[in-house]
Amino acid sequence: GAVVSQHPSWVICKSGTSVKIECRSLDFQATTMFWYRQFPKQSLMLMATSNEGSKATYEQGVEKDKFLINHASLTLSTLTVTSAHPEDSSFYICSARDFGGSLNEQFFGPGTRLTVL
Amino acid sequence: AQKVTQAQTEISVVEKEDVTLDCVYETRDTTYYLFWYKQPPSGELVFLIRRNSFDEQNEISGRYSWNFQKSTSSFNFTITASQVVDSAVYFCALLSSNTGKLIFGQGTTLQVKP
Repeated sequence: GAVVSQHPSWVICKSGTSVKIECRSLDFQATTMFWYRQFPKQSLMLMATSNEGSKATYEQGVEKDKFLINHASLTLSTLTVTSAHPEDSSFYICSARDFGGSLNEQFFGPGTRLTVL
Repeated sequence: AQKVTQAQTEISVVEKEDVTLDCVYETRDTTYYLFWYKQPPSGELVFLIRRNSFDEQNEISGRYSWNFQKSTSSFNFTITASQVVDSAVYFCALLSSNTGKLIFGQGTTLQVKP
């Protein structure tokens, strides 16, 4: 149980295009999902917290107009990187908190590797 | 402020050696949770353990063991008789019960050589 999927697993795009990454909780409902970014050889940094049916909360320094987050259902959150540039190339990981589970538990997706040319 | 420090950036050992990964944390919360994750080259995080701030009992799971000491704000992780498959990046993380946010340490890259 408690499986989180991400799609796509990797994507290569041209500079200036937008890329959408999906995060799905497969066997549980997630009122809260989190988006992290990890640059090579660095740690995971929380970008934003996504709550179903409401606006996402962004961490300091993260541009909300560049990283659009939509949490339209209890099993799906999407992250859209708008007008992507090479510096946005990174590993994006989502996690989900089980609606009926413990508040201290997050389940992580496998990550999406974004390369912007 | 909440912070997790993993002072060891990289560790290299020979197979069958024991190795300890250090983790020191800072928090003003009275209730918090500590985690260890393994990140192999594939990138997917593998959950290893969760500990709450009220449970200082050490834990052993096979070759893995954890030492939680609130007095020194440390949550160290020991791998006994290391194996090549243990090679990965290991992250220690702190979750605040107030914010529900996970804060990761910088990670320790462990290389186990045959």
